[in-house]
Amino acid sequence: KAGVTQTPRYLIKTRGQQVTLSCSPISGHRSVSWYQQTPGQGLQFLFEYFSETQRNKGNFPGRFSGRQFSNSRSEMNVSTLELGDSALYLCASSLLPGLSYGYTFGSGTRLTVV
Amino acid sequence: AQTVTQSQPEMSVQEAETVTLSCTYDTSESDYYLFWYKQPPSRQMILVIRQEAYKQQNATENRFSVNFQKAAKSFSLKISDSQLGDAAMYFCAVGGATNKLIFGTGTLLAVQP
Repeated sequence: KAGVTQTPRYLIKTRGQQVTLSCSPISGHRSVSWYQQTPGQGLQFLFEYFSETQRNKGNFPGRFSGRQFSNSRSEMNVSTLELGDSALYLCASSLLPGLSYGYTFGSGTRLTVV
Repeated sequence: AQTVTQSQPEMSVQEAETVTLSCTYDTSESDYYLFWYKQPPSRQMILVIRQEAYKQQNATENRFSVNFQKAAKSFSLKISDSQLGDAAMYFCAVGGATNKLIFGTGTLLAVQP
């Protein structure tokens, strides 16, 4: 059974550009959550999606957005990139929303903004 | 609001020995979950162990066990018979009704052969 797949693994972008990151959940998992990991702020929750609807959103500016498709795959987009957006972006999937179902994380996308 | 504190930035243990990682938390929710995740250099966050707050019994998973002290809001992880593969960053996390996890700052565990 394939795990959570995040693409690309590494990405380098220039300030002001936009970027799209992709997450394919474990087959059958319908809930996807995104986290940002930086040395300064640690791990912070970005959003949670279920049935193509955003259920929760963390405390991030509107430049951060996401969506979920009918096959449960999810994308997150960051527009007008800033140097501070450099981070590891982790995606986690679960069967349904709720911590009782358990979350499986992917290996992340390392974004570097120059 | 929920907060998680890991007061040990780094720990070291000899192979085959036992080590305990500390974690304290604060939450206003009555129903919540506590987790320990391991992040090796591969970057993937791997679930080590989970504790439901309403359960009195401490969770165990093979060589990993927790000491959950609900009144003290403490959730420590004990690793027995440490192995070289246990070397990683360990994160404590708490989550409740919103399903979002609040993570601590992590403890980097080194295992000495």
